[in-house]
Amino acid sequence: GAVVSQHPSWVICKSGTSVKIECRSLDFQATTMFWYRQFPKQSLMLMATSNEGSKATYEQGVEKDKFLINHASLTLSTLTVTSAHPEDSSFYICSANPQVNTEAFFGQGTRLTVV
Amino acid sequence: AQSVTQLDSQVPVFEEAPVELRCNYSSSVSVYLFWYVQYPNQGLQLLLKYLSGSTLVESINGFEAEFNKSQTSFHLRKPSVHISDTAEYFCAVSDHTDKLIFGTGTRLQVFP
Repeated sequence: GAVVSQHPSWVICKSGTSVKIECRSLDFQATTMFWYRQFPKQSLMLMATSNEGSKATYEQGVEKDKFLINHASLTLSTLTVTSAHPEDSSFYICSANPQVNTEAFFGQGTRLTVV
Repeated sequence: AQSVTQLDSQVPVFEEAPVELRCNYSSSVSVYLFWYVQYPNQGLQLLLKYLSGSTLVESINGFEAEFNKSQTSFHLRKPSVHISDTAEYFCAVSDHTDKLIFGTGTRLQVFP
């Protein structure tokens, strides 16, 4: 199956700093990638749709200035959590679909802890 | 808009017992349906999917799910579970835009 890789797997940062998370499709091109957030023992909530070459589409309630998304190439999307605070601590997961209207493949997730 | 309901937050079972994880959805348009499994601190892995055709879909590790349009359900079943099946299971729907809406998840705990 297709492979989506996320980096880093975990990160600890100080409050007020910014953190960048990378999502790569290793063996296919993805014009669209998705970013999800998962709180402990809860479901995944879609944060935004990352579009190659254009602006990301954010879900209602997600602050676009806080969660910056860049999709500069067909295999890489980045999520930057700016001025992170402890409440931003969460598990962030990306996904991409090798083909339209088929299953999504997920990265292994990034555990962000803000202290 | 779509929504997914997983009625059981936790399902404890003994090894080799059958199990059913329930999933109901609501949508005003036709949907694709998925079951994903998540092991601790990992991403999600696709277990099985319904896109079209036969309403009964199977995975390679013995799970199956049946799409029931009249009941708007996509319950996951396995006739005999193993310890290794212990994980979080998520039901999800897509309205053909590749965006996934997830249920709240069901924690399957298999005991020896």
